[in-house]
Amino acid sequence: DAKTTQPPSMDCAEGRAANLPCNHSTISGNEYVYWYRQIHSQGPQYIIHGLKNNETNEMASLIITEDRKSSTLILPHATLRDTAVYYCIVRSYLRTDKLIFGTGTRLQVFP
Amino acid sequence: ETGVTQTPRHLVMGMTNKKSLKCEQHLGHNAMYWYKQSAKKPLELMFVYNFKEQTENNSVPSRFSPECPNSSHLFLHLHTLQPEDSALYLCASSQGPQTSVDEQFFGPGTRLTVL
Repeated sequence: DAKTTQPPSMDCAEGRAANLPCNHSTISGNEYVYWYRQIHSQGPQYIIHGLKNNETNEMASLIITEDRKSSTLILPHATLRDTAVYYCIVRSYLRTDKLIFGTGTRLQVFP
Repeated sequence: ETGVTQTPRHLVMGMTNKKSLKCEQHLGHNAMYWYKQSAKKPLELMFVYNFKEQTENNSVPSRFSPECPNSSHLFLHLHTLQPEDSALYLCASSQGPQTSVDEQFFGPGTRLTVL
């Protein structure tokens, strides 16, 4: 079973920041937070991951709370091509081959 | 393009047919995966191969038979499937369990319909 909770859907206006929340209250010390997304009819795509510090790359930023029980993925300037299902996944660095997907958040970016 | 290709992209088969799905990765990775995505359900991990050895079988029925002849190729052999096996079958690859990130790269999937 997935160890994360995400809202089933969100909307965002094009050009605005999309903030996608994720709860992972049972996360353990050896688990990272990963984000993937799946655009319709394509395979999932890695976005970003983090342990306890905030992370940023060319696609997004990841904000992890100090207690690590929740996180937020930020797409700073959403475009129509960012419409997808976003998956928040916790994964142990001891079992990096175990990627357990939940139901994710369906983000709809509108013009 | 993710560097992971899958063929065929679409497949329709009867319950008595035998068919195979093929996956190839051009990334020099050592781990390969099969996932199943049914309508309105999360992706389910089916099999994991590390350095050509199977390290995970997630209670998959024997009518699905994986084969990994080398680190670049992965097959899923199908026989006597059921209509409920209709789904999107996704292949992925990654560097391997020894790496800290082990980001998985996914192929576009094979859309399978069992009649």
